[in-house]
Amino acid sequence: GAVVSQHPSRVICKSGTSVKIECRSLDFQATTMFWYRQFPKQSLMLMATSNEGSKATYEQGVEKDKFLINHASLTLSTLTVTSAHPEDSSFYICSARPGGRGGHIQYFGAGTRLSVL
Amino acid sequence: GENVEQHPSTLSVQEGDSAVIKCTYSDSASNYFPWYKQELGKRPQLIIDIRSNVGEKKDQRIAVTLNKTAKHFSLHITETQPEDSAVYFCAASGPFGNEKLTFGTGTRLTIIP
Repeated sequence: GAVVSQHPSRVICKSGTSVKIECRSLDFQATTMFWYRQFPKQSLMLMATSNEGSKATYEQGVEKDKFLINHASLTLSTLTVTSAHPEDSSFYICSARPGGRGGHIQYFGAGTRLSVL
Repeated sequence: GENVEQHPSTLSVQEGDSAVIKCTYSDSASNYFPWYKQELGKRPQLIIDIRSNVGEKKDQRIAVTLNKTAKHFSLHITETQPEDSAVYFCAASGPFGNEKLTFGTGTRLTIIP
């Protein structure tokens, strides 16, 4: 149980285009999903917290107009990197947390490697 | 906000020996401390976690200890095996309503056959 699916696993795009990444909880309802960015050989940096049916909460320094997050259902959150540039190239990982008090555990997707040319 | 420090950044251990990774946190309100294992190019996998009302937790070869007073927690892996080679991340999370995880910088563990 507790499987999180993330697509695509890898995307290469031209500078200026937008890229959408999907994160799905396959066997549980996730009231909260998280989006992280991971640079090579570095830690996971939280970008934003996504709550179903409400606006995402962005971490300091993360541009909300650049990284659009939509959490339209209890099993799906999407991250759209708008007008991508080479500096946006990175490994993006989502995680999902099952609902309920005390449900701290986060289950991670397999990540999306974005390369912007 | 929370700040989590993790040491060492790299660790090489002879197969069969023990490995210890240490983390400190800054926010005394944090009450949940998971450890994740990430193999190259793969997703982080939860290997063990501990809550602040417990001082130690063990699961086969893996154990975690927590010292709330000193605000540090450690991961202990005994009888290490080659498949234990990976990057390990500690993290800290606040009480209900503030469950976002703050991760440590990671430890690259290499088990030498």
